[in-house]
Amino acid sequence: QKEVEQDPGPLSVPEGAIVSLNCTYSNSAFQYFMWYRQYSRKGPELLMYTYSSGNKEDGRFTAQVDKSSKYISLFIRDSQPSDSATYLCAMEPGGSYIPTFGRGTSLIVHP
Amino acid sequence: SAVISQKPSRDICQRGTSLTIQCQVDSQVTMMFWYRQQPGQSLTLIATANQGSEATYESGFVIDKFPISRPNLTFSTLTVSNMSPEDSSIYLCSVGQGGGNQPQHFGDGTRLSIL
Repeated sequence: QKEVEQDPGPLSVPEGAIVSLNCTYSNSAFQYFMWYRQYSRKGPELLMYTYSSGNKEDGRFTAQVDKSSKYISLFIRDSQPSDSATYLCAMEPGGSYIPTFGRGTSLIVHP
Repeated sequence: SAVISQKPSRDICQRGTSLTIQCQVDSQVTMMFWYRQQPGQSLTLIATANQGSEATYESGFVIDKFPISRPNLTFSTLTVSNMSPEDSSIYLCSVGQGGGNQPQHFGDGTRLSIL
């Protein structure tokens, strides 16, 4: 079993839909959780960064962490074609500064 | 966040040759990393580039194949040596401040194809 599991997709949704992207993990030591967005031919761009459990909201994006279930989510409200990208989750225990990444989920938002 | 520039952005190389990839940051950073990203796979850490000392390599990666330099706090290079088609991948540089658990930030990568 990999430390971080992420469905590669692709996930195809119509414009305006609410998107839910998810990762599960096995290492209970993970404390810091990140979501990166990667456009084609670009590097990963940090989207959300959270510590421990709970929710964090930034505009149309909400990151949710459920440590009891070892499950994290990224919600995108009112999705736009410009949100089409690969979304990578990442997590680390803290102190190592080196996260473990998921494979990434390819999201396609069609007009 | 820091602006990270990688050169070249892409290259096509012949088998058996070597290529050096440069990573330049617009501010001093504590930690610099090199990753490999293959299609459909998660990011794989190659090594941590340490300023003024030898890089720290992850399991499966060796200095002879991937020599790394870090002469100062804003610059690092990764060389892919004696390339084979299996080395075709995206190579990414990332930076972090290493304190207070700051997340890493990435450059746009170098897309490398080996013929």
